[in-house]
Amino acid sequence: EAQVTQNPRYLITVTGKKLTVTCSQNMNHEYMSWYRQDPGLGLRQIYYSMNVEVTDKGDVPEGYKVSRKEKRNFPLILESPSPNQTSLYFCASRGSGRYYEQYFGPGTRLTVT
Amino acid sequence: KQEVTQIPAALSVPEGENLVLNCSFTDSAIYNLQWFRQDPGKGLTSLLLIQSSQREQTSGRLNASLDKSSGRSTLYIAASQPGDSATYLCAVEWNRDDKIIFGKGTRLHILP
Repeated sequence: EAQVTQNPRYLITVTGKKLTVTCSQNMNHEYMSWYRQDPGLGLRQIYYSMNVEVTDKGDVPEGYKVSRKEKRNFPLILESPSPNQTSLYFCASRGSGRYYEQYFGPGTRLTVT
Repeated sequence: KQEVTQIPAALSVPEGENLVLNCSFTDSAIYNLQWFRQDPGKGLTSLLLIQSSQREQTSGRLNASLDKSSGRSTLYIAASQPGDSATYLCAVEWNRDDKIIFGKGTRLHILP
């Protein structure tokens, strides 16, 4: 089944404790992206990657890191999480070229206390 | 600055009615526009993607149109059903870069 998977689905952590949210897709997509969704602010793009070893900042990249060492994986790293990073996070992917639809993962609900 | 706006933020209509959801964007030099639905606590499901060269796309009871010159897209839902209740989001990608910007969505409630 074609899908985007994220782990963990739920995470509660404390300020400053490094964490990684994994994202994997099995559709051989070149483009992958991370978003956060907050009430009243909607979905905002954090980082995106056009292909392996190619990453770029979205609208809200501060406090986050990403890497794209393999085509199928695009982990989101929070080196020193803070409470304002409490949010619902989505990973998405699509094929090469902008005429392809984005497919979204199920989301990761992160709480930083 | 590139922005995407969806008005109204919420909409309630009786079952069976046809309805239109709106999406407007700044800067008409877009590459594509995609409509999604999101059910409470769930991820996003793609509904329709319109390329910049297209005027509309159809899937079942859904029809999305695009007017680049006026910076608008509409999502038409025919014969609405309670199962259509969800939040509908539009997302725009512009020519100048590969960023994708979402509107804040319209929360649709179909009254049985």
